[in-house]
Amino acid sequence: EVQLLESGGGLEQPGGSLRLSCAASGFIFSKYVMTWVRQAPGKGLEWVSSISLSGGRTDYADSVKGRFTISRDDSKNTLYLEMKSLRAEDTAVYHCAKDRVAYGSGSTNPYDIWGQGTMVIVSS
Amino acid sequence: DIQMTQSPSSLSASVGDSVTISCRASQGISNFLAWYQQKPGKVPRLLIYAASTLESGVPSRFSGSGSGTDFTLTISSLQPEDVATYYCQKYNSAPQTFGQGTKVEIK
Repeated sequence: EVQLLESGGGLEQPGGSLRLSCAASGFIFSKYVMTWVRQAPGKGLEWVSSISLSGGRTDYADSVKGRFTISRDDSKNTLYLEMKSLRAEDTAVYHCAKDRVAYGSGSTNPYDIWGQGTMVIVSS
Repeated sequence: DIQMTQSPSSLSASVGDSVTISCRASQGISNFLAWYQQKPGKVPRLLIYAASTLESGVPSRFSGSGSGTDFTLTISSLQPEDVATYYCQKYNSAPQTFGQGTKVEIK
């Protein structure tokens, strides 16, 4: 069964840091572009960041650029999101998502599998 | 960046009704448009990609159309299990912006 399982969320103070992980199983992780999408409480979906095969290309939403870093470890089938200088507006459920097709080039495919998400709360 | 605008933001319809949701891109995106369904407390589910191609396993009452800047999601006969928020997303390039969502309820 294809699965994505996020972890690493929690309560953090403004200005703090967190590292999210997304463990993938049931598919060949290295063949897929992977993405983080977040959803603030009661709000819509917001694309955060995507990473290409082998990590050669990364894209970020303007709202997180310079503060968040996406990475992947294909040997561990794991996607990461390093979050620094956290703000209250970063409070959200963070989902990882898998491209629908293998060998995508950058941010050019929709997502067919989503993880359940990990909650990040930024508050003093 | 290209903005995605959905309308309406919410709607209420009766079981069996045909329902239409619109999504407009601020610039042309060809057919790089997806629709997702998010039921309360659940993760989003891909319904349609390439503007009009139904994802495997999605009921045929769902259909999509459009190209360029104007797109439509249609539910031909609304069912109780279709209560959800629906999002469009453009994916031709980063940022892969979502629309703000349309909440569909049963009257």
